[in-house]
Amino acid sequence: QVQLQQWGAGLLKPSETLSLTCAVYGGSYSAYYWSWVRQAPGKGLEWIGEINLSGGTNYFPSLKSRVTISLDTSKNQCSLRLSSVTAADTAVYYCTRSKFGLSSEKFEYWSQGTLVTVSS
Amino acid sequence: QSVLTQPPSASGTPGQRVTISCSGSSSNIGINPVNWFRQFPGTAPKLLIHGNNQRPSGVPDRFSGSKSGTSASLAISGLQSEDEADYYCAAWDDRFWVFGGGTKLTVL
Repeated sequence: QVQLQQWGAGLLKPSETLSLTCAVYGGSYSAYYWSWVRQAPGKGLEWIGEINLSGGTNYFPSLKSRVTISLDTSKNQCSLRLSSVTAADTAVYYCTRSKFGLSSEKFEYWSQGTLVTVSS
Repeated sequence: QSVLTQPPSASGTPGQRVTISCSGSSSNIGINPVNWFRQFPGTAPKLLIHGNNQRPSGVPDRFSGSKSGTSASLAISGLQSEDEADYYCAAWDDRFWVFGGGTKLTVL
């Protein structure tokens, strides 16, 4: 049974850096890639970015200048950093796992999510 | 405003068949597979359909997906009260993923 568990600070001040880490338990680590998705209160899902096992990344254009996604393969962990946060970044942040292949299972597994609130 | 367009709400009665639409463009749905998710309040989304019409293991065959051109649909047959949730579509668009704004399904 695959489980994704994440942790990180839930309350930030404007201009600070959001930092979240996600660990995977169970299943094969190297056959998948990782994404981060967020959901503002009462709103829909927004993709933040992804990283593959080679460390290659893609980011959502409007967030690209502030986002860094990284992998620690020795610990089976994926991390998200979002700099210069504002109130608009307040959201529940999820890490997810997807299989490779255009028609394969995408965002197949999700973490429990972390509510990150940005407030002065 | 989401790149993929979904109706904000849909409804049906138990046993009925309902469909939820997802409209995109030639850069996303027009050339890439569509995925569908269900989300209950306060919980993480769950994958229902991938590759336009494929169900992951454990998803009932009451759920089906289809695609035509730059639009896709999720159909739920034999509607049940526990199907009341938010539903999202998603597709790859050039170098990033895009989601629909979500459809709140109410079972009357």
